[in-house]
Amino acid sequence: KAGVTQTPRYLIKTRGQQVTLSCSPISGHRSVSWYQQTPGQGLQFLFEYFSETQRNKGNFPGRFSGRQFSNSRSEMNVSTLELGDSALYLCASSSRTSSYNEQFFGPGTRLTVL
Amino acid sequence: AQSVTQLDSQVPVFEEAPVELRCNYSSSVSVYLFWYVQYPNQGLQLLLKYLSGSTLVKGINGFEAEFNKSQTSFHLRKPSVHISDTAEYFCAVSEDNQGGKLIFGQGTELSVKP
Repeated sequence: KAGVTQTPRYLIKTRGQQVTLSCSPISGHRSVSWYQQTPGQGLQFLFEYFSETQRNKGNFPGRFSGRQFSNSRSEMNVSTLELGDSALYLCASSSRTSSYNEQFFGPGTRLTVL
Repeated sequence: AQSVTQLDSQVPVFEEAPVELRCNYSSSVSVYLFWYVQYPNQGLQLLLKYLSGSTLVKGINGFEAEFNKSQTSFHLRKPSVHISDTAEYFCAVSEDNQGGKLIFGQGTELSVKP
């Protein structure tokens, strides 16, 4: 079974631009969660999508948004980029068939904002 | 609110020595507990998890952890480390029915020296 894939792996943008990151979950997984990883704040939960609906949301400004398609692939969008948005963005997929399901992480997208 | 504290940001240790990485959590409800490992430029890999039952949990690569409810701790141990164990380790917690949301500690950088 193929693992979680994220594209692109690396991205460089300038302040004020917007960016879209993509995540393809493991086949059969219907839940996708997104996390931001920075040296200062560590790993922080952004949001979770399940069956095309946002199920959970972290404490991030509205510039961070996401969506999920019918094939469970998910995209995350960040508008009006700030220098502080430079981070590794990780997505994780799970089957979400019970109160707990193991999350499998992708390799991440490294976003650099100049 | 949930929180996770990893008491050591860096742990240097010699090869074949034992190691313990400490993790404390706070939560007002039942939780699931996890340890993840992250190698450079990679995503997170699950080492082990505590969902219920036996408080001693065994994971991959010879790691184990013990859940202590009274001390709200979930320390990770390995009796003999290898150079290849050099990585960053994250403790995480998830509340029941919040399966898509993980709260992470700040991470512990384990450095194994020859």
